[in-house]
Amino acid sequence: DGGITQSPKYLFRKEGQNVTLSCEQNLNHDAMYWYRQDPGQGLRLIYYSQIVNDFQKGDIAEGYSVSREKKESFPLTVTSAQKNPTAFYLCASSKGVNYGYTFGSGTRLTVV
Amino acid sequence: EDQVTQSPEALRLQEGESSSLNCSYTVSGLRGLFWYRQDPGKGPEFLFTLYSAGEEKEKERLKATLTKKESFLHITAPKPEDSATYLCAVQPGGATNKLIFGTGTLLAVQP
Repeated sequence: DGGITQSPKYLFRKEGQNVTLSCEQNLNHDAMYWYRQDPGQGLRLIYYSQIVNDFQKGDIAEGYSVSREKKESFPLTVTSAQKNPTAFYLCASSKGVNYGYTFGSGTRLTVV
Repeated sequence: EDQVTQSPEALRLQEGESSSLNCSYTVSGLRGLFWYRQDPGKGPEFLFTLYSAGEEKEKERLKATLTKKESFLHITAPKPEDSATYLCAVQPGGATNKLIFGTGTLLAVQP
């Protein structure tokens, strides 16, 4: 079955470290997205990519970086510049405009 | 500014007690409105897409409706397994496929 796989499910990071969250999809979707979810807040867009080798900043891109070298993969790096990285991170993909998202199961990042 | 507001924040129902969740929005050129269900610790699961005022979609005990300013998710005779957070999102007009999400309604159905 096609879907989106996020790994790891849980991730612990020491302050000052960079960490990379993996997102892989086999749905043949062109567009991919990274959202952050915090208690009491809606999902907030970090970065998105509509095509391979191209990506744009979302509403809260500071302290994050991404790459889109393959259609199937859209990894997110949380850098030490991100002041409050503890959150639930969701990756999604879509066929394109007018289509909804398919979400992964999420990665919970905790800074210790 | 594009905005989505969901109400109530939380709702507790008895099994079989029907109710509705509200999603009001302001958006420049609505391209679509989406409903998702999210269980604790998991990613959102797609439920419905609505594209124009007057449109309705149904799935089991859920029915979604759309007007020019808001959408309702009606839950008929809910069961405990319907307990989850329900998210509403809008897609504004434009060249990208960005979705703007509300904060969700946490539904608890008690047996």
